[in-house]
Amino acid sequence: DTAVSQTPKYLVTQMGNDKSIKCEQNLGHDTMYWYKQDSKKFLKIMFSYNNKELIINETVPNRFSPKSPDKAHLNLHINSLELGDSAVYFCASSQGENSPLHFGNGTRLTVT
Amino acid sequence: KQEVTQIPAALSVPEGENLVLNCSFTDSAIYNLQWFRQDPGKGLTSLLLIQSSQREQTSGRLNASLDKSSGRSTLYIAASQPGDSATYLCAVKGGVNSGGSNYKLTFGKGTLLTVNP
Repeated sequence: DTAVSQTPKYLVTQMGNDKSIKCEQNLGHDTMYWYKQDSKKFLKIMFSYNNKELIINETVPNRFSPKSPDKAHLNLHINSLELGDSAVYFCASSQGENSPLHFGNGTRLTVT
Repeated sequence: KQEVTQIPAALSVPEGENLVLNCSFTDSAIYNLQWFRQDPGKGLTSLLLIQSSQREQTSGRLNASLDKSSGRSTLYIAASQPGDSATYLCAVKGGVNSGGSNYKLTFGKGTLLTVNP
């Protein structure tokens, strides 16, 4: 009964490919997020959706496109992958703006 | 733009010792502050959340304080155990200069804690 689940856990792909990471939460939360953790372990927000609407869109290349089919899901699609996209991507959710974030276990993306 | 700094970057202590982790932030107009732990290869686990109107929060052996005016928070761990070994991350939400969003959480780089048996 994992609260926030991401798939896949590991993703190894070549430059130029297109890939997707899926995220689902069963907590009934209204808000979902994508964070990127780089090789120096620094976590930075990429996107946030509240009730399927985009509310945060940081300076992220437009090769990254989030999609929220319903408030329990927030998927991340990445086009034309580059070496610099290699990182761990974390999905998270929260109930409103004043509640703790619940994180998934991350997807380690390696672009070769 | 909001910046969060955590000191020290790494800390190694013997089991049983009490310890303090420090976090500072540049924009004091925050909505809340959260402490997380991250185990290797895992996601983050929320430990404590302090609202901007609060001074501290406690959970078991953990106590987090917040001094918004000076832009500082501390996480106090009592009677440390080897199972406490992890990276501890501080994050602040909101802030006048965070793009106006109360949903945006800005993280520090973390403190890697090792508790030796």
